[in-house]
Amino acid sequence: QVTLRESGPALVKPTQTLTLTCTFSGFSLSTSGMCVSWIRQPPGKALEWLALIHWDDDKDYSTSLKTRLTISKDTSKNQVVLTMTNMDPVDTATYYCARLNRGIAAAGFDSWGQGTLVTVSS
Amino acid sequence: DIQLTQSPSFLSASVGDRVTITCRASQGISSYLAWYQQKPGKAPKLLIYAASTLQSGVPSRFSGSGSGTEFTLTISSLQPEDFATYYCQQLNSYLALTFGGGTKVEIK
Repeated sequence: QVTLRESGPALVKPTQTLTLTCTFSGFSLSTSGMCVSWIRQPPGKALEWLALIHWDDDKDYSTSLKTRLTISKDTSKNQVVLTMTNMDPVDTATYYCARLNRGIAAAGFDSWGQGTLVTVSS
Repeated sequence: DIQLTQSPSFLSASVGDRVTITCRASQGISSYLAWYQQKPGKAPKLLIYAASTLQSGVPSRFSGSGSGTEFTLTISSLQPEDFATYYCQQLNSYLALTFGGGTKVEIK
């Protein structure tokens, strides 16, 4: 059974750096084709893809946010970490991590965490 | 980046209705499209991938079609548990895995 769980601060101040951790089980990020992604959703708005890390440590980032994002993995701990610098109130959102298996052609995100709400406010 | 435009953004329907949601891509993405269902306060759930492949455990009343730039999600007979928001996502380019703006399906 695949599970993912997001953790991190519920409240950050403007200009601070946000660090979120995705802890997963039921698969290994060292397995060929496995990827973990971060997605966010501001209250009442649509989903926004942020970043993706591949089994081979390749990384992809949202074009609009790439200068602020860093994604990394610790395969031994089954964790993926996202950092976002220079937080602003518009970054207030629920942040999700999700799994993608590139071993299946055109597969979507088949497992998601429950999400963690991050509020940016002074 | 590839843009996805969903229509309508909102629809009101009754139980038993046939519902169709459209997703248009700004450039061709072959069949690299997924559909998700999201209920309030919950994470999205994968319904369909590769444009038309039903994810395991998803009821057969859901179906997807299309390729290139135009795609549809169809619910053949709307059930009470189907009232939710639906999103499409393109997976043609892992450089930018964009989502559509969403379609909210509400009870008429």
